[in-house]
Amino acid sequence: NAGVTQTPKFQVLKTGQSMTLQCAQDMNHEYMSWYRQDPGMGLRLIHYSVGAGITDQGEVPNGYNVSRSTTEDFPLRLLSAAPSQTSVYFCASSPRTGTYNEQFFGPGTRLTVL
Amino acid sequence: SQQGEEDPQALSIQEGENATMNCSYKTSINNLQWYRQNSGRGLVHLILIRSNEREKHSGRLRVTLDTSKKSSSLLITASRAADTASYFCATDAKGYSTLTFGKGTMLLVSP
Repeated sequence: NAGVTQTPKFQVLKTGQSMTLQCAQDMNHEYMSWYRQDPGMGLRLIHYSVGAGITDQGEVPNGYNVSRSTTEDFPLRLLSAAPSQTSVYFCASSPRTGTYNEQFFGPGTRLTVL
Repeated sequence: SQQGEEDPQALSIQEGENATMNCSYKTSINNLQWYRQNSGRGLVHLILIRSNEREKHSGRLRVTLDTSKKSSSLLITASRAADTASYFCATDAKGYSTLTFGKGTMLLVSP
């Protein structure tokens, strides 16, 4: 199994540009989520999905869209990039929603918005 | 807002010593998890402790949970240089695997 994969690894955008960060998992996990990590801030939840066709907002959803058309994929779209969205983005998945499940993280995408 | 807060922010020890990191949180939880992050990499799950558990062991890791004080500690015994990483606690309050992370403790283990 490849686990959780993310593409691209690095990306530089100009303010106002849009892009999609890709996330895929091959473990048939129901739950997937997106976090951003900023220096000194830990990880903050952007959006999450408890299954195909179901998404919900996390702590910092503004400026981001998600969709979950398949179990495997959970792309994160930046609608109009802003410098405040410069961050490292992590995708994670979990076997099933519920109380006692660890999350598996991808390697991250480092995004710079100029 | 951050649910968990780790203490200390940074910790520097010698190989063979024990490392203790603490985590405090604000609201009731279903479980608390600890993750490790090596520089420039994704997070790796270390251990999960349920709200009705007080202590859990996994290899050289020992985690305690005190729900009355809303705090947890992670002890790494006989530290190795390879343990150098950032360690994060994460709480699951909603029961939907929606984790809230603290800011982390940076651990440096010198040979």
